[in-house]
Amino acid sequence: AQKVTQTQTSISVMEKTTVTMDCVYETQDSSYFLFWYKQTASGEIVFLIRQDSYKKENATVGHYSLNFQKPKSSIGLIITATQIEDSAVYFCAMREGGYQGGRALIFGTGTTVSVSP
Amino acid sequence: GGIITQTPKFLIGQEGQKLTLKCQQNFNHDTMYWYRQDSGKGLRLIYYSITENDLQKGDLSEGYDASREKKSSFSLTVTSAQKNEMAVFLCASSTDRGRYAEQFFGPGTRLTVL
Repeated sequence: AQKVTQTQTSISVMEKTTVTMDCVYETQDSSYFLFWYKQTASGEIVFLIRQDSYKKENATVGHYSLNFQKPKSSIGLIITATQIEDSAVYFCAMREGGYQGGRALIFGTGTTVSVSP
Repeated sequence: GGIITQTPKFLIGQEGQKLTLKCQQNFNHDTMYWYRQDSGKGLRLIYYSITENDLQKGDLSEGYDASREKKSSFSLTVTSAQKNEMAVFLCASSTDRGRYAEQFFGPGTRLTVL
C-alpha cells in the first residue's frame, strides 16, 4: 500500500540559512510523482515543486530544490537562503500511476518550519 | 489563473445534523477533491471526481456523500455530524484528469460540531 512518511515534526532555523526536511514514501508502482506543498499560518496551501520518478535530475524551483534518492524511496526538500516568510508547514505528497488519469495524492503529516531573524 | 471558492468559511452544526459544504473553481479543471485536515495532521482524502457526475471514494469516505453535477462545482455532505468534531475541509482541483496532479487548493471550511 502507498504511504508517505515525514518523521521531522518541526525544524527551527535562522534566517538566510539552509533547511532540509525529509520524506520517505512507499509504492509498488514503477512510475509516480512526488510533490511538496506549503501551508501558511493563514491555512493557505500552495504547490511548491514536483519530481517525476523517471527523471534522474533533482527538480529546482527558485530557492526550493529536491534531493531525490530513488533507491532509498526518499525525496527531501531543501530551502536555501531562508526568509521569515518561509515559516510554514511543509507537506510531502505522492501520486502513483504515471500519466494515467484519475489518481489522488497521498500526503505526509507535515513538517513545521520556523525561521527566526 | 483562477480561483477556488469554498462556502461557508465557518460551519457550526449540531450532533446528528446533515451539513453541506460547497466548492467552486474557475480553472476549468477536470478533477476536484475533498480533503479533511485535523489539527496538526496531514490531509486525508474523502472523495474525488475526475469529471462531471463521477465520484471516487477516498480512504475517509464513510460518513460523507459527494456530488459533482457541474464541472466547476463539487459539494460534500456530512451525513451525520459527530459531537465535538472539529476539522478543516479543503477542496482542491487539478487539470488533465489529475495526471500531473499539481493541485490547487481552496481556503477551506472550518467545521465545529457542538
